[in-house]
Amino acid sequence: GDSVTQMEGPVTLSEEAFLTINCTYTATGYPSLFWYVQYPGEGLQLLLKATKADDKGSNKGFEATYRKETTSFHLEKGSVQVSDSAVYFCALSSNNAGNMLTFGGGTRLMVKP
Amino acid sequence: DAGITQSPRHKVTETGTPVTLRCHQTENHRYMYWYRQDPGHGLRLIHYSYGVKDTDKGEVSDGYSVSRSKTEDFLLTLESATSSQTSVYFCAISESPARGSSGELFFGEGSRLTVL
Repeated sequence: GDSVTQMEGPVTLSEEAFLTINCTYTATGYPSLFWYVQYPGEGLQLLLKATKADDKGSNKGFEATYRKETTSFHLEKGSVQVSDSAVYFCALSSNNAGNMLTFGGGTRLMVKP
Repeated sequence: DAGITQSPRHKVTETGTPVTLRCHQTENHRYMYWYRQDPGHGLRLIHYSYGVKDTDKGEVSDGYSVSRSKTEDFLLTLESATSSQTSVYFCAISESPARGSSGELFFGEGSRLTVL
């Protein structure tokens, strides 16, 4: 079955540092890939997405590129801020009829001033 | 923000009691889901619905039932709550690809359930 593996956290960075959160996946066919962010006490919000190989999703300074050859979708940001502190989830959808997502375990990011 | 309301937002109950969580949407989206979130497990799908009165099981459906009598409402019921069902429950909605969706889900703010 489908699965998503993320690097375990927490990841602790200083403000303005470079961020990478690794995500690899196993799926049949050509899934769509997503990054969601969860701020404390809130639900998940879509951060970015990519629907086919070599697509780059981007939003709020975050980027991720759909790499089919390495089955990866790593999240990057060039300069993190304290406000980026949250839990980040990588997810995939195998283009199934019900749009069901398979999630990774989540990575907590803590950014210190 | 997607119009998704979960209720109650917080509930404490005792083992063996029935519990119902409600998800209400104002977006008229076709698909609705219930996930649970637990440390180390990410989000796991409990049940989902692809239309009124059309539901199916997810990855962790044992001990849960659902109902969808109207497009806008999706109920999750724990017939007899157990301590292992202590969790944060999230409702999500999604539109059909036929209506232009690329598969993203929109989430409610969660319902924290504690079973003593």
